Amino acid sequence: RKEVEQDPGPFNVPEGATVAFNCTYSNSASQSFFWYRQDCRKEPKLLMSVYSSGNEDGRFTAQLNRASQYISLLIRDSKLSDSATYLCVVNRGTGFQKLVFGTGTRLLVSP
Amino acid sequence: NAGVTQTPKFRVLKTGQSMTLLCAQDMNHEYMYWYRQDPGMGLRLIHYSVGEGTTAKGEVPDGYNVSRLKKQNFLLGLESAAPSQTSVYFCASSYYEGSQPQHFGDGTRLSIL
Repeated sequence: RKEVEQDPGPFNVPEGATVAFNCTYSNSASQSFFWYRQDCRKEPKLLMSVYSSGNEDGRFTAQLNRASQYISLLIRDSKLSDSATYLCVVNRGTGFQKLVFGTGTRLLVSP
Repeated sequence: NAGVTQTPKFRVLKTGQSMTLLCAQDMNHEYMYWYRQDPGMGLRLIHYSVGEGTTAKGEVPDGYNVSRLKKQNFLLGLESAAPSQTSVYFCASSYYEGSQPQHFGDGTRLSIL
């Protein structure tokens, strides 16, 4: 089982739609969680950190469920510019707490 | 503020050649990392450094060496390039490990023929 698992997609949605991605992680000791965005042939960029109580940044909402070991990302009112791959990132929680990157979920927003 | 800068952006090598990838950061970060990204594999950690003069192996270190002689620079070397090392290489840095997000350079696309 992979440490971080994501549905690769693609998720095809029209502009203005709401879309949600889930990501599951296997290490119950993980303490830090992030969503990164990666555009085609570009570097990953931090979208938002994920906090225990859930957090929102504009149209983006992130949630953490420690009991079920998953995090989610909700995008409201999708824009064409939201088309990208979204990487779920989790730290290992023990030792050198390296970040573990999921393989990403691809989102395509169409007019 | 440049952030994390990688050079070169693209390179084509022949099998057996050597080269060095340079990563420079101007954010005074302690931690630096080298990843490779292959289709369907996600980002995999090659080597990392927790400070000037220190380096450590990540999950896929074979065939690579690194050096961190200055805090702002992290070099990745391929001593004898192999086709399996064809990949996109990303350098990243962070203030601390684990709980802090990492900032990435824009990548080096390396092809080994």
